[in-house]
Amino acid sequence: SYELTQPPSVSVSPGQTATITCSGYASPRPYSYWYQQRAGQPPSLVIYKDTERPSGIPERFSGSASGTTVTLTISGVLAEDEADYYCQSTDSTETYMIFGGGTKLTVL
Amino acid sequence: VQLQESGPGLVKPSQTVSLTCAVSGAYVGGGDYYWSWIRQAPGKGLEWIGKIYYNGDTAYNPSLDGRVSMSLDTNTNQFSLKVYSVTAADTATFYCARSYSGSHNLGFWGHGTLVTVSS
Repeated sequence: SYELTQPPSVSVSPGQTATITCSGYASPRPYSYWYQQRAGQPPSLVIYKDTERPSGIPERFSGSASGTTVTLTISGVLAEDEADYYCQSTDSTETYMIFGGGTKLTVL
Repeated sequence: VQLQESGPGLVKPSQTVSLTCAVSGAYVGGGDYYWSWIRQAPGKGLEWIGKIYYNGDTAYNPSLDGRVSMSLDTNTNQFSLKVYSVTAADTATFYCARSYSGSHNLGFWGHGTLVTVSS
């Protein structure tokens, strides 16, 4: 197996762009997924298969990938986006799920 | 769809903790989904525990060293998790979640149940 590494924290002002990276993927890189977890709430999926948004997720949330690093970008950050964000992927056999350590997004 | 976890709340070290996830709005015995458990220690990140398919096939996080097992009950439309020989390090909020078959993400989560391991 392998580990996914995220920055522990990211801070942005309202209206700015937040970028959260996730690195350490095996090669070839499996798909990545992103979850938002607000305080006291269960996680919820915001990006799947690297770049896709589930129904109901605002367009300001986007995902991208380059090499073995994937990125969650939140454009025009709102106060309500303050949360922990986790990347997730699988092992190369797609049997086991793996989470990154999480990134706390603070909206200043 | 609703997923509702239930558990004992407090267990003693070395005991076995049993958790159940009651599912409504989806059938655990159908081939459309598979079902997972995830835990989160207080103030910590998410850890995937394992998953179970409609036919009972399972896959567990290797890091848990065989201390977990999962089962499915189609009669009650629930699935369950057992964690054996618990220690204080197993104190966590346990979430159950649903995934579409063929996908590798956790699309729908329950609200979680806290299990505290303490003597």
